[in-house]
Amino acid sequence: SQQGEEDPQALSIQEGENATMNCSYKTSINNLQWYRQNSGRGLVHLILIRSNEREKHSGRLRVTLDTSKKSSSLLITASRAADTASYFCATDSTGGFKTIFGAGTRLFVKA
Amino acid sequence: NAGVMQNPRHLVRRRGQEARLRCSPMKGHSHVYWYRQLPEEGLKFMVYLQKENIIDESGMPKERFSAEFPKEGPSILRIQQVVRGDSAAYFCASSPGDTGGQETQYFGPGTRLLVL
Repeated sequence: SQQGEEDPQALSIQEGENATMNCSYKTSINNLQWYRQNSGRGLVHLILIRSNEREKHSGRLRVTLDTSKKSSSLLITASRAADTASYFCATDSTGGFKTIFGAGTRLFVKA
Repeated sequence: NAGVMQNPRHLVRRRGQEARLRCSPMKGHSHVYWYRQLPEEGLKFMVYLQKENIIDESGMPKERFSAEFPKEGPSILRIQQVVRGDSAAYFCASSPGDTGGQETQYFGPGTRLLVL
C-alpha cells in the first residue's frame, strides 16, 4: 500500500455539517500537506503542517497531525456546497525530495 | 503575478506519436515537479527538476519519458512513441526552492493527454 492513504474514499454530507477526512502514512516525514482538487482542475494548496506541530487552523479548516500514529485529519466545519471536491494529503519524506499523494477523499456537500 | 501555466490544456495524439507538455513555473520559482494522475486516483510523482538539473526522476519510466528545465524557457515533459496507457492528466507544480525542496508546491491546471 502507498504512503498517504486517505479515508473515507468518499463522503456525502449536508450543507452546514462538518466533514472529517483522515490520512495515514508509513515513513517519517518533515511535513504533511492537504490539497483540494475540483473536478477537472489542478490542485489548490490548503494547509501545511510540520512534523513538530500537532494542530493547525486556517479559516474553517482544522488539521491535526499525530506522528506517533502516522496519521493526520482534515476537518472542514460548517461545510458549503462549494466545498465539494476531492481532498488529498501529501507527504514528503525525511531526506527525500519526492512528494507522495494519497488517492484522495471525494467530498460531496449537498445544498 | 501569474500562477503556474501549462500548455496545451488538452492534447490528442495517436499511438506512436510524440507528446510535448510545457510548464512555466510561477515567477521567481526555480523548482518544478511533474505528476501524472489517472482518473479517480491521486497524483503520482514523476520527476523533480531545478534549473538545468534533474534532481529526482525516480517516478518517471526509464523509456520514452524525458524531462528538462532549461535555463531559459519552460520545463518540458516529453513522451515519445505514446501508447494508450499514457492517457492521463499531467500536472506540473513549482516552488520557490529556498527550503531545499520540501515546501509548498503550486500547481498548474494540468494537461490532459488522450492517446487514440
